[in-house]
Amino acid sequence: GAGVSQTPSNKVTEKGKYVELRCDPISGHTALYWYRQSLGQGPEFLIYFQGTGAADDSGLPNDRFFAVRPEGSVSTLKIQRTERGDSAVYLCASSELLAGGGTDTQYFGPGTRLTVL
Amino acid sequence: SQQGEEDPQALSIQEGENATMNCSYKTSINNLQWYRQNSGRGLVHLILIRSNEREKHSGRLRVTLDTSKKSSSLLITASRAADTASYFCATDTGRRALTFGSGTRLQVQP
Repeated sequence: GAGVSQTPSNKVTEKGKYVELRCDPISGHTALYWYRQSLGQGPEFLIYFQGTGAADDSGLPNDRFFAVRPEGSVSTLKIQRTERGDSAVYLCASSELLAGGGTDTQYFGPGTRLTVL
Repeated sequence: SQQGEEDPQALSIQEGENATMNCSYKTSINNLQWYRQNSGRGLVHLILIRSNEREKHSGRLRVTLDTSKKSSSLLITASRAADTASYFCATDTGRRALTFGSGTRLQVQP
């Protein structure tokens, strides 16, 4: 079946602008995750959805970042008043959930490369 | 913060040789996953090993886990030029989000 897809693949914006990044998870996956990866580093967790609700948003760096998943499938990561430091690759992943806690394999999308000029 | 730390940071070998990458972590885990990444984009899942497992194989990949030492290793046997990529370990500590290390950059010379 289809994997995780993300759009756009690249986004260039100016400092101060608003951007939206979209993620389409694997059909049927309850859990959806957003990560951010800076050059030369491993991905860092931003937010995790279980169904429609954000179960853990402890990785969001500040209140300029917000994410939604209104119907429990597609998710949008929204960044207000972008700063040059927001430039990174934003990765989305989805997975099934294991009973009793823990996560099964997370499948990643190709990412959106955000450049803030 | 990053829980996992890969060692070495970079590794260069000849085609046909084996490549070994190590990962250390700090807190107890439910499972540990290894991923490959080409050209800084999408992560490809390689293998998942649960905390009650000690070794797992998948094709040319062999992963070990030592929870007493809080460490894991990934062995790629008979490496190929196409194995050139960055490799990351990621731990699931029960909060479902993965915590990644900083990665090992593997270069396989043809």
